[in-house]
Amino acid sequence: DTAVSQTPKYLVTQMGNDKSIKCEQNLGHDTMYWYKQDSKKFLKIMFSYNNKELIINETVPNRFSPKSPDKAHLNLHINSLELGDSAVYFCASSQRTANEKLFFGSGTQLSVL
Amino acid sequence: AQSVTQPDIHITVSEGASLELRCNYSYGATPYLFWYVQSPGQGLQLLLKYFSGDTLVQGIKGFEAEFKRSQSSFNLRKPSVHWSDAAEYFCAVGAQGGGFKTIFGAGTRLFVKA
Repeated sequence: DTAVSQTPKYLVTQMGNDKSIKCEQNLGHDTMYWYKQDSKKFLKIMFSYNNKELIINETVPNRFSPKSPDKAHLNLHINSLELGDSAVYFCASSQRTANEKLFFGSGTQLSVL
Repeated sequence: AQSVTQPDIHITVSEGASLELRCNYSYGATPYLFWYVQSPGQGLQLLLKYFSGDTLVQGIKGFEAEFKRSQSSFNLRKPSVHWSDAAEYFCAVGAQGGGFKTIFGAGTRLFVKA
């Protein structure tokens, strides 16, 4: 059973489109995250939710909107996609805070053409 | 501000040789430190973590890391590298302030040659 699963694994789309990435964790964790990994493998946090409440919102364009319908799900919606949005997006979860082990999904490779 | 530096972008080691990956951190308080490994096309997996206590921590797959407060370092070591260890390795620090978050270094790519 996959602990943190995200879909789709690959996403190829045109500039200007709107797309969503879904994430689910079956670990019973309270906290979920979205990370962006660029082409140089640099990993940067975008958002963090704790029990459906937004607790971290880094400097991310407001075209990116996370939504957490319940504590097991954290989705990422991106409006008006731009070339620079091309990256691998990782969902992760932890029991409570980021001072604990993060469990990562396998990533969504987003390519904006 | 909290930060993590991994000075080596990539390292090549012969199979069976020892390995040390360097990591330096900047953090005002006692840090929570982690090493993660990422295989191609996969998410990150925790190798080990340090919160307090013994400064030499053991992790999975035969890895260990040593916390040295005086040097602000948390280097990862393995006595004998296997070809399957080829991957990207990330050092990270758990930071408070503005919500808990894990800050990652830029990663070190490990190549293993036969």
